[in-house]
Order: sequence, then C-alpha cells, then structure tokens
Amino acid sequence: ETGVTQSPTHLIKTRGQQVTLRCSSQSGHNTVSWYQQALGQGPQFIFQYYREEENGRGNFPPRFSGLQFPNYSSELNVNALELDDSALYLCASSFRGGEYGYTFGSGTRLTVV
Amino acid sequence: AQRVTQPEKLLSVFKGAPVELKCNYSYSGSPELFWYVQYSRQRLQLLLRHISRESIKGFTADLNKGETSFHLKKPFAQEEDSAMYYCALSGQDTDKLIFGTGTRLQVFP
Repeated sequence: ETGVTQSPTHLIKTRGQQVTLRCSSQSGHNTVSWYQQALGQGPQFIFQYYREEENGRGNFPPRFSGLQFPNYSSELNVNALELDDSALYLCASSFRGGEYGYTFGSGTRLTVV
Repeated sequence: AQRVTQPEKLLSVFKGAPVELKCNYSYSGSPELFWYVQYSRQRLQLLLRHISRESIKGFTADLNKGETSFHLKKPFAQEEDSAMYYCALSGQDTDKLIFGTGTRLQVFP
C-alpha cells in the first residue's frame, strides 16, 4: 500500500508567476483535498475533489484551481502568485466521507519572492 | 461560524506527568472530531477520532458537547510524545477538515 506522495518537495517562484503542484493519492482512496499551511498556523482547507469534480471549496480566490484525474491523482494550480502564497501545501486523500480520517502527504514548500 | 480553538501554543511537561491538550470547537450541528499529530520531520497523521472512542498510544479524547470540547489526555507522558498536535473537525455536510492552530507538546526527561 502506498501513501500520499507530493511533488515537488520545495519550490521557489517569483511574484506573478504560476505554479502547479502534484499529488498522488493513497491506493484505494477516491477523494483528494488540498490545504495551505502558513508558518505557525494550522492547515487551511483550499478545496476537495471527488470523481474529478470540485466538491467543496474554502475561502480562497479563483486563482487557486485544481484538477483530479481518473486515477484519483490531483493537481493544484495557483496563478498570479503573491508573496502571501508562500506556505506549505498539503495534499490529503481519503475514501469518500472522510470519517475514517485523511492520509496526508509530506507537502510542497512554496516560497514566493 | 465553524472554528477550532487550541488555546495553548506550547505545553511542556516532564516524563511521567499527565498531559491534557485543550481543544474547543464551534459548529452548528454534530461535528466529527479528530486529533492529528506531526512528529519531527514526519507528515501529519491521524491520532484518533471521536467516533471510534479508541485509545492510541495511551491518548484518549472525550467529546463533551455541552462544553463543546474535545481535549486530548494521557496519564503519563513519554518523551516520544513530543510533537505538534492539531485538533480538527469535519461536519455532516462537508468532508473538509477545519484545524486549530496546533499545540506543541514538549516532554522533558
């Protein structure tokens, strides 16, 4: 059984650029959620994907978008990067419902300069 | 508003002492409550969930709906318990997790 893998592990981008982060969900999981964790804060929900469609969204602007693929892997895209987008981005997979908990990846550390 | 509050940023105890990490929540409805833990250099992982009423690594947590609390307790702390602990909730109509800001537990020898 494989866990959740995220790539890349670290990334440095310039303000205004676009970035794509990737996530492979745990085997048997069909739901992927993305979280942003700023320094010293708990993870903040960005959005969730189920059956390749967005299934819930947090308080993030439209320049944060995502995709889920038929194999349940997912991408998080952020356009027009701002300095405040610097954070750890976590991907979590679950089986639909989430009541059994989520399996988190190690995250992608994004730094916007 | 949906919110999870962990009032302590840091909790320091000596090995063998009892530990209680506080968590209060605000949610209109019946939430599901979780504790997640992050050990040094490791990923965030589920510690326990209230619906299973289980004890993991000696930790327990009881949901108190009257006080809207879900405090994490352990009678005798161990050095390997040192980690960051996050309380989180999800609702009946959503799978998203709402996290608290976390409490760092330091257990000294």
